[in-house]
Amino acid sequence: GENVEQHPSTLSVQEGDSAVIKCTYSDSASNYFPWYKQELGKGPQLIIDIRSNVGEKKDQRIAVTLNKTAKHFSLHITETQPEDSAVYFCAASEGPGGSYIPTFGRGTSLIVHP
Amino acid sequence: DAGVIQSPRHEVTEMGQEVTLRCKPISGHNSLFWYRQTMMRGLELLIYFNNNVPIDDSGMPEDRFSAKMPNASFSTLKIQPSEPRDSAVYFCASSPRDTDNEQFFGPGTRLTVL
Repeated sequence: GENVEQHPSTLSVQEGDSAVIKCTYSDSASNYFPWYKQELGKGPQLIIDIRSNVGEKKDQRIAVTLNKTAKHFSLHITETQPEDSAVYFCAASEGPGGSYIPTFGRGTSLIVHP
Repeated sequence: DAGVIQSPRHEVTEMGQEVTLRCKPISGHNSLFWYRQTMMRGLELLIYFNNNVPIDDSGMPEDRFSAKMPNASFSTLKIQPSEPRDSAVYFCASSPRDTDNEQFFGPGTRLTVL
C-alpha cells in the first residue's frame, strides 16, 4: 500500500518568512495530492491540491509542487501570517478510476511568530 | 449546506461503557469515512462507506468497534466496551466520489475514556 512521509514535524517561522513542508510517497500509481490545514479544535480542511499532470499550482500565498519522478511534493507558503499557524497534512491517492482513499502524512505543526 | 455534522463534540465516559458517535454527511455525497486522530498514530482511517455500503473496515482496530450507515444521511461509530486507549478525536468525513477526491471533515468528537 501507499506510504506517505512528511517533514518536518514542526516548523517555526517569523511572520513574513516563507515556510516549506515536504512529502514523499511510495506508490507510483498515486496521482492526486491534496494538502489539508487543521486549526485547533477543528477538522482538516482542504487548502490546495495537485494532480499528476501538473507540476505546480498556486493559489495566492500558497503553492504546491510535484515531482513524480522523485515521488515527492511540497507545500510552499509565502509571506506567512499568524493565522497560518496550524497543522498541515499532505496526502496521496490514486484518484478517480483507482483507489481514491487518501493516505495521510503525520502532519506538520506550523507556528508563525508575530 | 451546514457541512458534516458530528455529535457529540465531547464525550467523557468510564471504561467499559458503550460509546456511540454520530455523523451526518453533506447531502449528496456518496462516500463517508471515519477517522481516528491521536498524537502517537496521527490520522487513521477506520472504515469507509460508499452508497451506504461498508467497503473497507480493515482499519477498525478491534471487534469492540462497529460502524453502521442505515441511510445516506446518517452514520454511527460504536465502541463497546470502551477502554482508556480508545481516547482520541474521531472525525467523520464525506466526499462526492464521482467528482474528485476532496474530503470534507466534520469538527470531530473528542472522546475521553477514564
